[in-house]
Amino acid sequence: GAGVSQSPSNKVTEKGKDVELRCDPISGHTALYWYRQSLGQGLEFLIYFQGNSAPDKSGLPSDRFSAERTGGSVSTLTIQRTQQEDSAVYLCASSARGEGGEAFFGQGTRLTVV
Amino acid sequence: DAKTTQPNSMESNEEEPVHLPCNHSTISGTDYIHWYRQLPSQGPEYVIHGLTSNVNNRMASLAIAEDRKSSTLILHRATLRDAAVYYCILRDYSGEYGNKLVFGAGTILRVKS
Repeated sequence: GAGVSQSPSNKVTEKGKDVELRCDPISGHTALYWYRQSLGQGLEFLIYFQGNSAPDKSGLPSDRFSAERTGGSVSTLTIQRTQQEDSAVYLCASSARGEGGEAFFGQGTRLTVV
Repeated sequence: DAKTTQPNSMESNEEEPVHLPCNHSTISGTDYIHWYRQLPSQGPEYVIHGLTSNVNNRMASLAIAEDRKSSTLILHRATLRDAAVYYCILRDYSGEYGNKLVFGAGTILRVKS
């Protein structure tokens, strides 16, 4: 596809379960970002991958959150032992490296922890 | 990361121009000024960006102060579809983690018919 694809679009999970969220970036984009947006709130930066560099994990809220990017393409955000406060929309974006690197966002995964 | 300051909210009448201000007094020489907007129930979308000179595209214009400590996003004729949260972001492309994109609180733009 031409855009950033995220799956699943919706996920309901029980408290304490692990979840995996997937992001397929635009082909050729070296930068990939994950954000979290709680209801009525702004975008909270989580993690940033740039090419082959070690990711910038400075936004991950706890060690229950982790992300990886395989082969410089697809990324998976994993949340272990989910809590109700993890309920939010998780957004992924990708961009090309360089000054003209407009970031393109996926439609997000709405996570509900019950 | 260099920080930006925007008003919490603004209101405009339909068909009139809108000037959305952004202060970035600690901007560095390698920071680009980016604007994104987020329509209700959607992910953010790119609007415009610039470094020193004013920029125009089909969506908007970006006016950058001579000292680069502030900028203004200009929507020439607001429509109801322009109601969104507008984010002003500084983006430094240099260094290993150049290109990082961090959002602040943004400005909620309301457009009245």
